[in-house]
Amino acid sequence: DIQMTQSPSSLSASVGDRITITCRASQSVTTYLNWFQQKPGRAPNLLIYAASSLQSGVPSRFSGSGSGTDFTLTISSLQPEDFATYYCQQTYKTPQTFGLGTTVDIK
Amino acid sequence: QVQLQESGPGLVKPSGTLSLICDVSGDSISGSSWWSWVRQPPGKGLEWIGEIYHSGNTNYNPSLKNRVTMSVDKSNNQVSLKLTSVTAADTAVYYCARVARSGAYYGMDVWGQGTTVTVSS
Repeated sequence: DIQMTQSPSSLSASVGDRITITCRASQSVTTYLNWFQQKPGRAPNLLIYAASSLQSGVPSRFSGSGSGTDFTLTISSLQPEDFATYYCQQTYKTPQTFGLGTTVDIK
Repeated sequence: QVQLQESGPGLVKPSGTLSLICDVSGDSISGSSWWSWVRQPPGKGLEWIGEIYHSGNTNYNPSLKNRVTMSVDKSNNQVSLKLTSVTAADTAVYYCARVARSGAYYGMDVWGQGTTVTVSS
């Protein structure tokens, strides 16, 4: 299975901060990489697909980049509703696998 | 809009079979989308269980070996999940999700609210 490693596992930030979350795959997944946001007690929400394509309805402060094994999710100006856990997912090979998540909380 | 709703027993005995249904509204399961199941143990991350197309084609997570079966019910616009020989490790919130495609890429763009299944005697 392709292992997805996210860093950091958690981070504290303030409203208005720019934050970056990293996801590294154990082998190349080209650009078959998605990012999800999950809030407590809620289902995940697709933010980014194909490494850098913004899902419809997702604010433009979210962006993704990378290819091969190294990817990043950036939130340009953190908003109160962005405090959540973020997961990367590869869909390059079966089984699809997720990172363990990065929790963003309020500093 | 598209809505998914999971349902099924919240408690399953060890060695028993977990059976869940996902009701789909606002979209036809006979369309171009695949339909997937994902689970999340308490306090842990997400695990992809597998996916199914309306033709019956499936892709499963090998970690679940031969315990998982997915099926579609076109007349009721439902997708179902069965997981046999369950243990406490199968305790989780189970989600169904639509797999949307954009060219060669795809992602789970609509999710159900999830249903909690506990394996316990």
